[in-house]
Amino acid sequence: GQNIDQPTEMTATEGAIVQINCTYQTSGFNGLFWYQQHAGEAPTFLSYNVLDGLEEKGRFSSFLSRSKGYSYLLLKELQMKDSASYLCAAQPSYNTDKLIFGTGTRLQVFP
Amino acid sequence: IAGITQAPTSQILAAGRRMTLRCTQDMRHNAMYWYRQDLGLGLRLIHYSNTAGTTGKGEVPDGYSVSRANTDDFPLTLASAVPSQTSVYFCASSDSYSLNTGELFFGEGSRLTVL
Repeated sequence: GQNIDQPTEMTATEGAIVQINCTYQTSGFNGLFWYQQHAGEAPTFLSYNVLDGLEEKGRFSSFLSRSKGYSYLLLKELQMKDSASYLCAAQPSYNTDKLIFGTGTRLQVFP
Repeated sequence: IAGITQAPTSQILAAGRRMTLRCTQDMRHNAMYWYRQDLGLGLRLIHYSNTAGTTGKGEVPDGYSVSRANTDDFPLTLASAVPSQTSVYFCASSDSYSLNTGELFFGEGSRLTVL
């Protein structure tokens, strides 16, 4: 079966660091995506991990452990504009873009 | 401005009516997708097309049909709408042949309410 799990909601304070976890169980696996979606808007690409380890991109970093079926998105120096839903998505094989999405984690950043 | 355009942005529809959601991209991407997004369920794939002239079924295809006559357009049709098809519909595209990263580019969504 296909299953992507991530927390439904999280809250954090402006300037803080937050880690959003995602676990996945899929019949095949090539890579893991994170997308950001502000309320009422389209999802936008944040990161893509294929190899184990941490990928850093400015204030955002994403980690993947293929053996554990686990990923996290790390957001540093939180800003109010980071309040959004963060979608974890698994890519079942290398030659497909038919991603399997989790239900998303709604992050609220407070002053 | 390059990207994906969806129409209509929002629509209220009576049950039993036929409805086509339009999607056009100008990035020359080979692959296109239709997802629906429902609260608590996340994005679910309805239909996809890897290249012009081909289509395939996703996770929740029942009640929907698509066509891909050319690279740019990928309309989604509800032949006879039912209330359970009330949702936000996102069209997406990717250039997987060149990048093979699977990054999806999404349209702004079409909010459909079936009464």
